[in-house]
Amino acid sequence: AQSVTQLDSQVPVFEEAPVELRCNYSSSVSVYLFWYVQYPNQGLQLLLKYLSGSTLVKGINGFEAEFNKSQTSFHLRKPSVHISDTAEYFCAVKSGGSNYKLTFGKGTLLTVNP
Amino acid sequence: NAGVTQTPKFQVLKTGQSMTLQCAQDMNHEYMSWYRQDPGMGLRLIHYSVGAGITDQGEVPNGYNVSRSTTEDFPLRLLSAAPSQTSVYFCASTQTPGGNEQFFGPGTRLTVL
Repeated sequence: AQSVTQLDSQVPVFEEAPVELRCNYSSSVSVYLFWYVQYPNQGLQLLLKYLSGSTLVKGINGFEAEFNKSQTSFHLRKPSVHISDTAEYFCAVKSGGSNYKLTFGKGTLLTVNP
Repeated sequence: NAGVTQTPKFQVLKTGQSMTLQCAQDMNHEYMSWYRQDPGMGLRLIHYSVGAGITDQGEVPNGYNVSRSTTEDFPLRLLSAAPSQTSVYFCASTQTPGGNEQFFGPGTRLTVL
Protein backbone atom coordinates (compact mmCIF):
# COMPACT_ATOMS: atom_id res chain seq x y z
CA ALA A 1 0.00 0.00 0.00
CA GLN A 2 1.14 3.53 -0.69
CA SER A 3 0.62 6.55 1.53
CA VAL A 4 1.62 10.20 1.77
CA THR A 5 2.17 12.41 4.77
CA GLN A 6 2.30 16.17 4.47
CA LEU A 7 3.84 17.32 7.70
CA ASP A 8 2.37 20.82 7.83
CA SER A 9 -1.30 21.60 7.33
CA GLN A 10 -0.65 25.36 7.15
CA VAL A 11 2.45 27.39 6.30
CA PRO A 12 2.29 31.19 6.58
CA VAL A 13 5.19 33.15 5.09
CA PHE A 14 5.95 36.71 4.08
CA GLU A 15 6.30 37.74 0.47
CA GLU A 16 9.81 37.19 -1.01
CA ALA A 17 10.73 34.72 1.75
CA PRO A 18 11.79 31.16 0.89
CA VAL A 19 9.43 28.30 1.61
CA GLU A 20 9.63 24.53 1.96
CA LEU A 21 6.56 22.29 2.02
CA ARG A 22 7.33 18.86 3.38
CA CYS A 23 6.14 15.53 2.03
CA ASN A 24 7.01 11.99 3.05
CA TYR A 25 5.73 8.86 1.35
CA SER A 26 5.67 5.14 1.88
CA SER A 27 5.50 2.46 -0.75
CA SER A 28 6.83 -1.05 -1.09
CA VAL A 29 7.81 -0.56 -4.73
CA SER A 30 9.28 2.13 -6.92
CA VAL A 31 7.22 5.31 -7.06
CA TYR A 32 6.29 8.29 -9.11
CA LEU A 33 5.83 11.49 -7.10
CA PHE A 34 3.79 14.57 -7.87
CA TRP A 35 3.02 17.99 -6.48
CA TYR A 36 -0.29 19.59 -7.40
CA VAL A 37 -1.50 23.13 -6.62
CA GLN A 38 -5.07 24.20 -6.04
CA TYR A 39 -5.86 27.91 -6.18
CA PRO A 40 -9.02 29.05 -4.38
CA ASN A 41 -12.21 27.63 -5.91
CA GLN A 42 -10.34 25.90 -8.71
CA GLY A 43 -9.32 22.39 -9.70
CA LEU A 44 -5.88 20.86 -9.30
CA GLN A 45 -2.95 21.75 -11.54
CA LEU A 46 0.29 19.82 -11.83
CA LEU A 47 3.33 21.71 -10.49
CA LEU A 48 5.99 19.07 -11.08
CA LYS A 49 6.64 15.35 -11.03
CA TYR A 50 9.46 12.92 -10.38
CA LEU A 51 9.59 9.81 -12.52
CA SER A 52 13.27 8.80 -12.55
CA GLY A 53 16.72 10.23 -13.13
CA SER A 54 17.84 13.49 -11.55
CA THR A 55 16.54 13.82 -8.02
CA LEU A 56 16.05 17.58 -8.37
CA VAL A 57 12.92 18.35 -10.33
CA LYS A 58 11.96 21.80 -11.55
CA GLY A 59 8.35 22.78 -12.10
CA ILE A 60 6.22 25.72 -13.06
CA ASN A 61 6.14 29.09 -11.29
CA GLY A 62 9.71 28.71 -9.94
CA PHE A 63 9.00 25.69 -7.74
CA GLU A 64 11.34 22.74 -7.40
CA ALA A 65 11.37 19.51 -5.41
CA GLU A 66 14.02 17.04 -4.40
CA PHE A 67 13.47 13.30 -4.30
CA ASN A 68 15.30 11.64 -1.42
CA LYS A 69 14.92 7.87 -1.55
CA SER A 70 16.71 7.13 1.72
CA GLN A 71 14.47 9.54 3.63
CA THR A 72 11.39 8.74 1.49
CA SER A 73 10.79 12.45 1.05
CA PHE A 74 9.81 14.78 -1.77
CA HIS A 75 9.88 18.30 -0.33
CA LEU A 76 8.73 21.27 -2.39
CA ARG A 77 10.72 24.50 -2.34
CA LYS A 78 10.66 28.00 -3.74
CA PRO A 79 13.41 30.54 -3.01
CA SER A 80 11.15 33.60 -3.06
CA VAL A 81 7.36 33.44 -2.88
CA HIS A 82 4.78 35.87 -4.21
CA ILE A 83 1.30 36.75 -3.00
CA SER A 84 -0.03 34.81 -6.00
CA ASP A 85 1.49 31.59 -4.63
CA THR A 86 -1.17 31.51 -1.93
CA ALA A 87 -2.90 28.18 -2.54
CA GLU A 88 -3.24 24.65 -1.24
CA TYR A 89 -0.50 22.24 -2.26
CA PHE A 90 -0.93 18.49 -2.49
CA CYS A 91 1.77 15.85 -2.63
CA ALA A 92 0.78 12.59 -4.33
CA VAL A 93 2.35 9.19 -4.97
CA LYS A 94 1.74 6.50 -7.54
CA SER A 95 3.43 3.13 -7.38
CA GLY A 96 5.34 2.04 -10.45
CA GLY A 97 4.31 -0.50 -13.02
CA SER A 98 0.74 -0.85 -14.19
CA ASN A 99 -0.80 0.97 -11.26
CA TYR A 100 -3.10 3.88 -12.10
CA LYS A 101 -4.02 4.92 -8.59
CA LEU A 102 -2.80 8.23 -7.22
CA THR A 103 -2.74 8.64 -3.45
CA PHE A 104 -2.83 12.20 -2.08
CA GLY A 105 -1.61 13.76 1.10
CA LYS A 106 -4.00 15.93 3.11
CA GLY A 107 -2.63 19.14 1.70
CA THR A 108 -0.66 22.17 2.92
CA LEU A 109 -2.22 25.59 2.80
CA LEU A 110 0.45 28.13 1.88
CA THR A 111 -0.49 31.69 2.78
CA VAL A 112 1.81 34.43 1.54
CA ASN A 113 1.42 37.69 3.44
CA PRO A 114 2.60 41.14 2.28
CA ASN B 1 -9.32 20.27 -26.36
CA ALA B 2 -11.72 21.04 -23.54
CA GLY B 3 -9.84 18.62 -21.25
CA VAL B 4 -11.94 17.29 -18.36
CA THR B 5 -15.36 18.88 -17.93
CA GLN B 6 -17.78 18.48 -15.05
CA THR B 7 -21.40 19.50 -14.60
CA PRO B 8 -22.98 20.96 -12.61
CA LYS B 9 -20.59 23.33 -10.84
CA PHE B 10 -22.87 23.68 -7.83
CA GLN B 11 -25.74 21.56 -6.54
CA VAL B 12 -27.93 21.56 -3.45
CA LEU B 13 -29.84 18.40 -2.60
CA LYS B 14 -32.18 17.33 0.16
CA THR B 15 -31.46 14.18 2.13
CA GLY B 16 -32.67 11.14 0.23
CA GLN B 17 -32.62 12.70 -3.22
CA SER B 18 -30.60 11.14 -6.00
CA MET B 19 -28.54 12.81 -8.69
CA THR B 20 -25.79 12.22 -11.23
CA LEU B 21 -22.59 14.21 -11.48
CA GLN B 22 -21.38 14.32 -15.04
CA CYS B 23 -17.76 13.99 -16.16
CA ALA B 24 -16.39 13.94 -19.69
CA GLN B 25 -12.93 14.07 -21.25
CA ASP B 26 -11.90 14.55 -24.86
CA MET B 27 -8.30 13.32 -24.59
CA ASN B 28 -9.06 9.64 -25.27
CA HIS B 29 -7.77 8.72 -21.83
CA GLU B 30 -8.17 5.15 -20.62
CA TYR B 31 -8.27 5.86 -16.92
CA MET B 32 -10.87 8.04 -15.20
CA SER B 33 -11.54 8.52 -11.54
CA TRP B 34 -13.71 10.37 -9.05
CA TYR B 35 -12.40 11.98 -5.87
CA ARG B 36 -14.05 13.84 -3.06
CA GLN B 37 -12.28 16.66 -1.26
CA ASP B 38 -13.11 17.51 2.33
CA PRO B 39 -11.33 20.02 4.58
CA GLY B 40 -8.21 18.52 6.14
CA MET B 41 -8.72 15.19 4.36
CA GLY B 42 -7.06 15.81 1.00
CA LEU B 43 -8.53 13.98 -1.97
CA ARG B 44 -9.99 10.53 -1.48
CA LEU B 45 -10.68 8.13 -4.32
CA ILE B 46 -14.33 7.11 -4.69
CA HIS B 47 -14.40 4.97 -7.85
CA TYR B 48 -12.22 4.55 -10.89
CA SER B 49 -12.29 3.00 -14.35
CA VAL B 50 -9.46 1.65 -16.50
CA GLY B 51 -11.56 1.55 -19.66
CA ALA B 52 -15.06 1.35 -21.06
CA GLY B 53 -17.06 -1.30 -19.22
CA ILE B 54 -14.53 -1.63 -16.38
CA THR B 55 -15.00 0.05 -13.02
CA ASP B 56 -13.74 -0.56 -9.50
CA GLN B 57 -14.06 0.82 -6.00
CA GLY B 58 -11.66 3.25 -4.44
CA GLU B 59 -11.17 4.24 -0.83
CA VAL B 60 -14.66 5.63 -0.08
CA PRO B 61 -17.20 4.02 -2.45
CA ASN B 62 -20.24 3.66 -0.19
CA GLY B 63 -23.29 5.58 -1.38
CA TYR B 64 -21.95 6.09 -4.90
CA ASN B 65 -22.34 4.21 -8.18
CA VAL B 66 -20.46 4.59 -11.45
CA SER B 67 -20.59 3.19 -14.97
CA ARG B 68 -18.37 3.62 -18.02
CA SER B 69 -20.23 2.95 -21.24
CA THR B 70 -17.91 5.09 -23.38
CA THR B 71 -14.27 6.17 -23.18
CA GLU B 72 -15.32 9.81 -22.85
CA ASP B 73 -17.90 9.74 -20.05
CA PHE B 74 -17.75 8.65 -16.43
CA PRO B 75 -20.84 9.72 -14.44
CA LEU B 76 -21.05 9.46 -10.67
CA ARG B 77 -24.44 8.66 -9.16
CA LEU B 78 -25.55 9.43 -5.65
CA LEU B 79 -28.30 6.94 -4.89
CA SER B 80 -29.81 8.53 -1.76
CA ALA B 81 -27.96 11.66 -0.74
CA ALA B 82 -26.85 12.11 2.87
CA PRO B 83 -25.38 15.18 4.62
CA SER B 84 -22.08 13.27 4.91
CA GLN B 85 -21.81 13.49 1.13
CA THR B 86 -21.54 17.27 1.26
CA SER B 87 -18.19 17.79 -0.43
CA VAL B 88 -16.38 18.99 -3.52
CA TYR B 89 -16.14 16.30 -6.17
CA PHE B 90 -13.38 16.12 -8.75
CA CYS B 91 -13.16 13.96 -11.82
CA ALA B 92 -9.75 13.16 -13.28
CA SER B 93 -8.31 11.25 -16.22
CA THR B 94 -4.94 9.97 -17.40
CA GLN B 95 -3.71 8.29 -20.52
CA THR B 96 -1.85 5.24 -19.29
CA PRO B 97 -0.45 3.79 -16.09
CA GLY B 98 2.95 4.94 -14.93
CA GLY B 99 4.20 8.47 -14.61
CA ASN B 100 1.64 10.36 -16.63
CA GLU B 101 -0.10 13.14 -14.78
CA GLN B 102 -3.79 13.08 -13.99
CA PHE B 103 -5.83 15.93 -15.44
CA PHE B 104 -8.55 17.28 -13.19
CA GLY B 105 -11.90 18.83 -13.90
CA PRO B 106 -12.98 22.10 -12.22
CA GLY B 107 -15.05 20.31 -9.58
CA THR B 108 -18.66 20.12 -8.43
CA ARG B 109 -19.55 21.62 -5.07
CA LEU B 110 -22.38 19.56 -3.56
CA THR B 111 -24.38 20.45 -0.47
CA VAL B 112 -26.82 17.96 1.04
CA LEU B 113 -29.31 19.46 3.48
